[in-house]
Amino acid sequence: GEDVEQSLFLSVREGDSSVINCTYTDSSSTYLYWYKQEPGAGLQLLTYIFSNMDMKQDQRLTVLLNKKDKHLSLRIADTQTGDSAIYFCAERSSMDSSYKLIFGSGTRLLVRP
Amino acid sequence: NAGVTQTPKFQVLKTGQSMTLQCAQDMNHNSMYWYRQDPGMGLRLIYYSASEGTTDKGEVPNGYNVSRLNKREFSLRLESAAPSQTSVYFCAGQGTSTEAFFGQGTRLTVV
Repeated sequence: GEDVEQSLFLSVREGDSSVINCTYTDSSSTYLYWYKQEPGAGLQLLTYIFSNMDMKQDQRLTVLLNKKDKHLSLRIADTQTGDSAIYFCAERSSMDSSYKLIFGSGTRLLVRP
Repeated sequence: NAGVTQTPKFQVLKTGQSMTLQCAQDMNHNSMYWYRQDPGMGLRLIYYSASEGTTDKGEVPNGYNVSRLNKREFSLRLESAAPSQTSVYFCAGQGTSTEAFFGQGTRLTVV
C-alpha cells in the first residue's frame, strides 16, 4: 500500500542549511510534494517535483529525488526563523479518475536564533 | 477569489451530537477532499469526490458521511460525534493542475 515516512523533528541554527528527508512506497507516483504548515494555518504548497526529475531548485529550496530508493529530500538554504513550521512530504497516488495525496506525518522544523 | 473556504473554524460538540462541516471552493476544481490531521499522524483522507455527484471512501471513513452538493460544495457530516473524532479537519480542492489547495481548517473538539 501507499505509505510516506518522515522524521518528526529537526532543529537548526539560523543561517544554517536544513535538510528534511522523506521516503515513500508507491513507485507509480508521478508527483511528489512539499507542503508547509505554519501554526494554526492550512497547508501551503512549497514546491513539487515530477518523478522523471532528480533535482529541482527554487530560490532557497532544493528538492532531490532518488527514485530508485524512493527517497525525497528538501534542503532549505540559509534557514531563517520564519522557516519554523511543519513540513509535509506527500505523494500523488492515482485513484479512479482522480488523485489523492498521501501525506507523511510531518517534520517540525525549529530554527534557533 | 477566496480559494477554499471552510466553516466553522472552531467547534465544540458533546458526545452523540451531530454537525456538518462546510467546504466551498471557487476555483472550479473537479476533485475535492476531506482530511483529518492528528498529532504525529500527518493528514489522513476521510472521503473524496472526483467530480460532482460522486463520492468515495478514503483511509478513515468510519463515523463520517459526505455530500457533494454541486461542483463548489463538499460537506462532511458527523452523525453521532465521538471523542475519537476530535481533530483538525481540512478540505482541499484540486483541478487539472498539480497543486491541491487547502482550506484553513476546522478545529473540532468532542467532549
